[in-house]
Amino acid sequence: RKEVEQDPGPFNVPEGATVAFNCTYSNSASQSFFWYRQDCRKEPKLLMSVYSSGNEDGRFTAQLNRASQYISLLIRDSKLSDSATYLCVVGLRRTYKYIFGTGTRLKVLA
Amino acid sequence: GAGVSQSPRYKVAKRGQDVALRCDPISGHVSLFWYQQALGQGPEFLTYFQNEAQLDKSGLPSDRFFAERPEGSVSTLKIQRTQQEDSAVYLCASSLAGRDHEQYFGPGTRLTVT
Repeated sequence: RKEVEQDPGPFNVPEGATVAFNCTYSNSASQSFFWYRQDCRKEPKLLMSVYSSGNEDGRFTAQLNRASQYISLLIRDSKLSDSATYLCVVGLRRTYKYIFGTGTRLKVLA
Repeated sequence: GAGVSQSPRYKVAKRGQDVALRCDPISGHVSLFWYQQALGQGPEFLTYFQNEAQLDKSGLPSDRFFAERPEGSVSTLKIQRTQQEDSAVYLCASSLAGRDHEQYFGPGTRLTVT
């Protein structure tokens, strides 16, 4: 079982739709959580950190549920430019290691 | 300012050859990570440097993989006796001290072993 699991998708949604991705993690040493975005054949870029209290950045909202060990990302009012792969990332306590999920592919359609 | 750069961008190696992949991190970034990304997968951690010290090499898949950062800046990932399963994109990322979660990635080196 992978330490960080994501539905690979693709999620095909029309422009303006709201879409949500989940990610589950299994390592009990997981202490920090992030979403990265990766465009096709490009490098990953940090989208946002994820906190237990939840956090919002414009159209993007991230939530962490430690009890159930899952992280979510909600995108409101999807734009064509949101089309990308969204990588769930977990930082482990007492290591320098960051574990990336396989990513969820999003395609926003005109 | 300049981002993370990697060279070469593409490398084709015959099985059994040695390869060296270079990473130039952002100036002033203390932390440096190497990842391996296979097609359709997320990046997999290989190793971590803080300045010139290699503090974690738990992700290196075998003793054919070796990384160094002798002066705390440029880093090289070396793969000896390449195998077909080494074919992947090798990504380097750097970050400021205390902000390891905010990693700035280079464009990667796509290695194809034939």
